[in-house]
Amino acid sequence: DTGVSQDPRHKITKRGQNVTFRCDPISEHNRLYWYRQTLGQGPEFLTYFQNEAQLEKSRLLSDRFSAERPKGSFSTLEIQRTEQGDSAMYLCASSPTSGRYTGELFFGEGSRLTVL
Amino acid sequence: QKEVEQDPGPLSVPEGAIVSLNCTYSNSAFQYFMWYRQYSRKGPELLMYTYSSGNKEDGRFTAQVDKSSKYISLFIRDSQPSDSATYLCAPSRNQGRKLIFGQGTELSVKP
Repeated sequence: DTGVSQDPRHKITKRGQNVTFRCDPISEHNRLYWYRQTLGQGPEFLTYFQNEAQLEKSRLLSDRFSAERPKGSFSTLEIQRTEQGDSAMYLCASSPTSGRYTGELFFGEGSRLTVL
Repeated sequence: QKEVEQDPGPLSVPEGAIVSLNCTYSNSAFQYFMWYRQYSRKGPELLMYTYSSGNKEDGRFTAQVDKSSKYISLFIRDSQPSDSATYLCAPSRNQGRKLIFGQGTELSVKP
């Protein structure tokens, strides 16, 4: 399977703990995106990378959130001191930068976070 | 005002019905208009995209964009139970930029 892979698929944690999610994009894709989706809502943009450079961050990405893509391949999203409001599905997507159409995002199946 | 507004539904129709899903948006800089489909517990997947105003047809699906009224539509003909999913509209200013998703419309097609 050469799609976007996310790990873990589900994480249950207690308030105040730190959690980290990993995303492995499609191998030839330069761009990588993180979105957050809560029940009954569309995905909300958090941040995106082109190769290892983080090009844009949403206001939603508070100081407790940090994302990295150290070698331009996989990415991690860390949430420190989790709060109940952080409970959501965290979606990773990747896209190419060449080809006829580069606007399509290829999503993984998401990492669901439950903060107790 | 949200950048993208979409009726959340849920929408329930009988098999074979014509379905109309709609979005409005506020940013006149949007040039690319995408529809994503999301099955339960899955990530969204691209269904159709159009550039600027006009219609685009792909099998049973037709996407319409009216930039003058900032209105986006997706029509599904001869709807099937396998079409049951959440449909998300997602406009963008240009290729490769972030997508702004609507709230999503949950569709259920009953056999």
